[in-house]
Amino acid sequence: DAGVIQSPRHEVTEMGQEVTLRCKPISGHDYLFWYRQTMMRGLELLIYFNNNVPIDDSGMPEDRFSAKMPNASFSNLKIQPSEPRDSAVYFCASSQGFWDTGELFFGEGSRLTVL
Amino acid sequence: GENVEQHPSTLSVQEGDSAVIKCTYSDSASNYFPWYKQELGKGPQLIIDIRSNVGEKKDQRIAVTLNKTAKHFSLHITETQPEDSAVYFCAADQSGGSYIPTFGRGTSLIVHP
Repeated sequence: DAGVIQSPRHEVTEMGQEVTLRCKPISGHDYLFWYRQTMMRGLELLIYFNNNVPIDDSGMPEDRFSAKMPNASFSNLKIQPSEPRDSAVYFCASSQGFWDTGELFFGEGSRLTVL
Repeated sequence: GENVEQHPSTLSVQEGDSAVIKCTYSDSASNYFPWYKQELGKGPQLIIDIRSNVGEKKDQRIAVTLNKTAKHFSLHITETQPEDSAVYFCAADQSGGSYIPTFGRGTSLIVHP
């Protein structure tokens, strides 16, 4: 398997613009997670899905952030409008469930810079 | 919710030395404690994990210990090599045995040749 695939790897945008980050999880994985990584706050869980249904979005910082998972092979995270403080590396991760292992498989991340 | 504290934030060792990273957690209901390694420009990758019914687990040069009473757990790396240089994250699952990890802030390990 190719692993978790994220795009774009790098995004530079101006304040106020809409940003869309994309994720393709590992086939067969039932859970999908969006994390944000910054120096100040470390790795923060934003939202996670189980079988395409959002389970916990309490980590989404504010209404400017939204995430969807229209099918088992795709999710996106949108920021509208973007602000400089949204600059971070955003990771998507997937998991096959937790019956025998709790392992999360991370993508390589999308580095977002908002000017 | 769960709160995980990790120390130190930076650790510098000579090749061949041992490295120890320590974490504490707040929620006594947590049962699952994974450790992830993040290399530069990559996403975190699981290297070892431990469950609450076990006090210690080893895998070659790495070992984890867990003290549920004190709510402490640690990662031990022996005979460190330059390729061990990375950021290491500890985590504890959210309350209720969800296996959803809450991460520590990370430790940047530098192994000098």
